[in-house]
Amino acid sequence: QVQLQQWGAGLLKPSETLSLTCAVYGGSFSGYHWSWIRQPPGKGLEWIGEINHSGSTDYNPSLKSRVTISVDTSKKQFSLKLSSVTAADTAVYYCARGELGGGYYYMGVWGKGTTVTVSS
Amino acid sequence: DIRMTQSPSSLSASVGDRVTITCRASQSISSSLNWYQQKPGKAPKLLIFAASTLQSGVPSRFSGSGSGTDFTLTISSLQPEDFATYYCQQSYSSPFTFGPGTKVDIK
Repeated sequence: QVQLQQWGAGLLKPSETLSLTCAVYGGSFSGYHWSWIRQPPGKGLEWIGEINHSGSTDYNPSLKSRVTISVDTSKKQFSLKLSSVTAADTAVYYCARGELGGGYYYMGVWGKGTTVTVSS
Repeated sequence: DIRMTQSPSSLSASVGDRVTITCRASQSISSSLNWYQQKPGKAPKLLIFAASTLQSGVPSRFSGSGSGTDFTLTISSLQPEDFATYYCQQSYSSPFTFGPGTKVDIK
C-alpha cells in the first residue's frame, strides 16, 4: 500500500524559505502527479502545485512567483520550496498523489501533513 | 480560477439521518468533481471522484451525483464515524480549487 512520508522545518521566520520533502513508499513513482496542498489554521484547503515524474510542473498562480516543486525520481521523493514566507503562509502542508481514473483526476493518497509556523 | 461553493457551511444531524451536501462550481466542470472527508488533525481522505465514483474501500452509504455546475454528496444513514468536514474539489482545470467545506456535527 502506498504511503507518503513528509518532513521539513516547522518554524520559520518571516522572509525565510519553507522547505518540505515527501517520500513515496510502497508504490510506483512514475505515471502519477505529485502535489502539495496547504490548510491555514481553521480554514480550507489550497492547492499549491504539482509535478510529474518527468519534472513538468504546474503551480497555483496565486503562489507561482514564490513556489518551486522539484522531484528526485531515484529516491522517489518530491520537494516544495516557498520563498519569502510571511505569517500568511502558516499552515499545515500536505503532500498528495494525483492520479487519473477513467479520465478524471483526483488525489487518492495523502501524507499526514506538516505544520509550518511563520513567526518572528 | 474556478470558484467552488458549498452549502450548508455546517449542519447538525443524528446517527441514522440522511445527509445531503451541495457543491456548486462557477463554471461547468463536466464531472470533474471530487469529494474528500477530513477529521480533526488528519489529512483529507478521498471519498468520491468523477462526481459519482466511489473510491475503493469507502462505505456504500456515501454517494455522489451531478454534472456541469451542481453536485451533491449524500450520506444515506449517518454513522458516528462520519462526523467530519467535507470538501468538494474541481479537477477540471488548474488551479484545482476546493470548496470551503461543510462541517457535519452531532445534533
